[in-house]
Amino acid sequence: EIVLTQSPGTLSLSPGEGATLSCRASQSVSSSYLAWYQQKPGQAPRLLIYAASSRATGIPDRFGGSGSGTDFTLTITRLEPEDFAVYYCQQYGSSQITFGPGTKVDIK
Amino acid sequence: EVQLVESGGGLVQPGGSLRLSCAASGLTFSNSWMSWVRQAPGKGLEWVANIKQDGSENYYVDSVKGRFTISRDHAKNSLYLQMNSLRAEDTAVYYCAKIGHYWYFDLWGRGTLVTVSS
Repeated sequence: EIVLTQSPGTLSLSPGEGATLSCRASQSVSSSYLAWYQQKPGQAPRLLIYAASSRATGIPDRFGGSGSGTDFTLTITRLEPEDFAVYYCQQYGSSQITFGPGTKVDIK
Repeated sequence: EVQLVESGGGLVQPGGSLRLSCAASGLTFSNSWMSWVRQAPGKGLEWVANIKQDGSENYYVDSVKGRFTISRDHAKNSLYLQMNSLRAEDTAVYYCAKIGHYWYFDLWGRGTLVTVSS
């Protein structure tokens, strides 16, 4: 099983600032099978990025994904008030799916 | 409107059983792999099970193998999760999710809460 580790656990930032979230895998992940989600309290997760760097439908271009192998990054260029949430990375490999533990982005 | 709607959650005693349902609408249900994902209270997301379009393949997280069974009914545009031998650690919101081409979840239901407690 591929274990995903996300850092930092919590990121405290102000609106307008940029955010960089890290997702590290215990072994190499195909870039095609790495995704990022946003989840707000009481809501289902929402797909942001798939295939490591492709934005899902309707996702603003301030969200960007990059990385390969074992290191992946989600970047938010200018935080809007609605971006404060928990972010999860997710991978698929060998018929198994795993999620990272999440990074909470909260208001400083 | 494209949506997934879960039902069937509730309070069950340890060792008991429960069957969750997910009704799909506005999408070609038979074209997609489908999945169940759960989230324990205050915790992160955990993938539970996948099922292929025709039901011929399914996969489970190790912690539910032999206890949970995923199935689907194309005539009813519905996905199911039969949960047996439930444990306290199965307490979670269970989400139904559609799997996209590159094994991501591109459509989610709102979830149904399962509480396992005596």
